[in-house]
Amino acid sequence: QSVLTQPPSVSGAPGQRVTISCTGSTSNIGAGYDVQWYQLLPGTAPKLLIYENNIRPSGVPDRFSGSKSGTSASLAITGLQAEDEADYYCQSCDSSLSDVFGTGTKVTVL
Amino acid sequence: QITLKESGPTLVKPTQTLTLTCTFSGFSLNTNGVGVGWFRQPPGKALEWLAVIEWDDDKRYSPSLTSRLTITKDTSKNQVVLTMANMDPVDTATYSCARRLRWAYDRWGQGTLVTVSS
Repeated sequence: QSVLTQPPSVSGAPGQRVTISCTGSTSNIGAGYDVQWYQLLPGTAPKLLIYENNIRPSGVPDRFSGSKSGTSASLAITGLQAEDEADYYCQSCDSSLSDVFGTGTKVTVL
Repeated sequence: QITLKESGPTLVKPTQTLTLTCTFSGFSLNTNGVGVGWFRQPPGKALEWLAVIEWDDDKRYSPSLTSRLTITKDTSKNQVVLTMANMDPVDTATYSCARRLRWAYDRWGQGTLVTVSS
């Protein structure tokens, strides 16, 4: 079961900015563990978008950015494009050193 | 080029034990800081972390499934094996493996759908 809470869905028109929140607790994000973000497109392997809270792997467009504060983190997508329509998950670690994922957010491009 | 591929049965019966193999290339599980994790995603539901095994053989399991899971590695074959005991229809899902580098899973397999049904 997920211990990181995300909104079920967010939407925006092409070119707009959307943000996805990831709310944890003092035993995971708030304990200082880094947050990662993944993009899941149907029929494809998950893709790492952000690691260590705000670092983009090579090849990830700079339209994607991450931040973390307290017990929460956020993923922002600026200049929304049709190809960004996908499911997004945050991931962190908890005090037992188990990995934990968010509940997932579906991004719809209107 | 880093690749991971999951293999195992597509159909298991309730109460049976599921054995899945993740065969990888392009990296070594002998390398400091590298691990391989397993995940699942039931149809229409969220991604769930199951287990991870690290380069030094450290193993961690999902607290809710720890009694049913076992993860092992064979570095000579570049494989990681996950077993899940006492399968139930609610365990029907796509199971995936991924490389863990520090805190992030940076390379993933395509996943394999496992159906639990009598």
